[in-house]
Amino acid sequence: AQTVTQSQPEMSVQEAETVTLSCTYDTSESNYYLFWYKQPPSRQMILVIRQEAYKQQNATENRFSVNFQKAAKSFSLKISDSQLGDTAMYFCAFMKLSPDDKIIFGKGTRLHILP
Amino acid sequence: SAVISQKPSRDICQRGTSLTIQCQVDSQVTMMFWYRQQPGQSLTLIATANQGSEATYESGFVIDKFPISRPNLTFSTLTVSNMSPEDSSIYLCSVEHRQGSQYFGPGTRLTVL
Repeated sequence: AQTVTQSQPEMSVQEAETVTLSCTYDTSESNYYLFWYKQPPSRQMILVIRQEAYKQQNATENRFSVNFQKAAKSFSLKISDSQLGDTAMYFCAFMKLSPDDKIIFGKGTRLHILP
Repeated sequence: SAVISQKPSRDICQRGTSLTIQCQVDSQVTMMFWYRQQPGQSLTLIATANQGSEATYESGFVIDKFPISRPNLTFSTLTVSNMSPEDSSIYLCSVEHRQGSQYFGPGTRLTVL
């Protein structure tokens, strides 16, 4: 069975700083997807970034980038130039490929961006 | 990305009653999923709903308690039956818009008194 572990329950950083959220996972699969989702107080789950396991290149989306270390089963999220609107719960998630495409979520990291 | 709506956005219900949550997506999708997020917790998958077949439930969730309908490729409902205070949670639907990308609805916040 797959597991996703986020070891940082809560973090705080000053606005404009860079912050890294950690995530490790365990799987015997070779093909899968990894995600970071953001859940602000509005509770809407927002897909921040996606990484396909077969791609060695780290995914980036504007200020968000990942450090994907497949052998180490590590998938950290870096937020550059953090903004107040980045304050949210961040969930790391794993999905193996078909047939069921189920997502397994970590417990989340609550991130506070301080003015 | 897909645009997903849920109704109701929130509700307060009495113990022993049932609530049906609707999930509508703006495009046809094969797979829809229902999740529960208990207060302060992560998301837990309840079931996968494919059009034209019975929903597939995860361990710990049963059809009698959480019946699901999937009448077409853009709509699904989840019913929370015979509710108790332990069912107070946020219920979210999600869709797989393209392989490897799941998008979520805004959630339904349920409080059971």
